[in-house]
Amino acid sequence: GAVVSQHPSRVICKSGTSVKIECRSLDFQATTMFWYRQFPKQSLMLMATSNEGSKATYEQGVEKDKFLINHASLTLSTLTVTSAHPEDSSFYICSASFAGGNEQYFGPGTRLTVT
Amino acid sequence: QKEVEQDPGPLSVPEGAIVSLNCTYSNSAFQYFMWYRQYSRKGPELLMYTYSSGNKEDGRFTAQVDKSSKYISLFIRDSQPSDSATYLCAMSPYNTDKLIFGTGTRLQVFP
Repeated sequence: GAVVSQHPSRVICKSGTSVKIECRSLDFQATTMFWYRQFPKQSLMLMATSNEGSKATYEQGVEKDKFLINHASLTLSTLTVTSAHPEDSSFYICSASFAGGNEQYFGPGTRLTVT
Repeated sequence: QKEVEQDPGPLSVPEGAIVSLNCTYSNSAFQYFMWYRQYSRKGPELLMYTYSSGNKEDGRFTAQVDKSSKYISLFIRDSQPSDSATYLCAMSPYNTDKLIFGTGTRLQVFP
């Protein structure tokens, strides 16, 4: 149980374009979803927290107009990287938790490369 | 000082060894403690979830929490090459759903 999927697993895009990453909880309802970014050999950096039907809460230093997060249902959240630049190239990972639970279940991650 | 400290390693052990991974923390409000395993280029996988002080065992894995010392450990018995991965500790206080992660310890188990 507690499976989270992400799509796509890998994406290459040109500078200036937008990329959408989907995160789905497959076998539970995720009241809260989280988006992280991870650089090579570093730990996870929380970007934002989203609750179903509400606006996302962004961490300090994360541009909300650049990283658009939508949590339209209890099983789906999307992260859109707008006007991507090479410095946005990274490993993006989502996680989900259910009501009353502190543990988070992670997706497999999406590797974004901006050329 | 970081809220959660974890030795990045790498830690290299022979197959069959007992592995001890540790984290220390400074925030006494932390109530929930987790260990995740992350293989290269994959998302973290939840291994153990504990709250308050004490031990929890699951197969070859034992999680230990000592709140008085602000110290948590993960023990892996009979380590296998397939255990080679980065192990992340994570914790959160009672009143928030955010997790604070350690930097991760890279473990290499050689045959």
